[in-house]
Amino acid sequence: GIQVEQSPPDLILQEGANSTLRCNFSDSVNNLQWFHQNPWGQLINLFYIPSGTKQNGRLSATTVATERYSLLYISSSQTTDSGVYFCAVSQGGSEKLVFGKGTKLTVNP
Amino acid sequence: GAVVSQHPSWVICKSGTSVKIECRSLDFQATTMFWYRQFPKQSLMLMATSNEGSKATYEQGVEKDKFLINHASLTLSTLTVTSAHPEDSSFYICSAFPPGLRPKFFGPGTRLTVL
Repeated sequence: GIQVEQSPPDLILQEGANSTLRCNFSDSVNNLQWFHQNPWGQLINLFYIPSGTKQNGRLSATTVATERYSLLYISSSQTTDSGVYFCAVSQGGSEKLVFGKGTKLTVNP
Repeated sequence: GAVVSQHPSWVICKSGTSVKIECRSLDFQATTMFWYRQFPKQSLMLMATSNEGSKATYEQGVEKDKFLINHASLTLSTLTVTSAHPEDSSFYICSAFPPGLRPKFFGPGTRLTVL
């Protein structure tokens, strides 16, 4: 099956700093989503981005499907950005999402 | 739109008992729902695909007789953990998507603790 690798596994920032999270996948995809899992476990949809670039406030994402990677940018980070960020993909005719192992982000005041 | 709910949010049960978890799509109909399990500090692992009106399909290594799935209506799927044991303690999360759309939406999860 498809492999999803996220880096870095852990990231510690000071409030106000910018960061880039990466997601590499091993095959072509029909869906790629970025999620933020909050401390209570809820997965928050950030982006649906199988290709191209999107922005939402301080967050933006870019997926280069031909090179099989996606990047999530967080600018001017805030303590509330802390949590685990997951990349998940599906491929072919499947709707099943396969998750990466996540990046744990800690933003210190 | 595209809200998925789960009930209960958390449950504690004794070893050997069965526990039922509900997943509902609140503002759309879902012919397909997914059940995931997440152990502490790990990622989400797909357990099974729930299909309205037909049998669920299970991922390799998931015991279908232990994790019973029923998708009786277009807005409700249930996961029953039968004869639960402490190793079944985990965070269970369901997912669904509106017809014709690709993005998946997730419920808030159910934390199961088996004593």
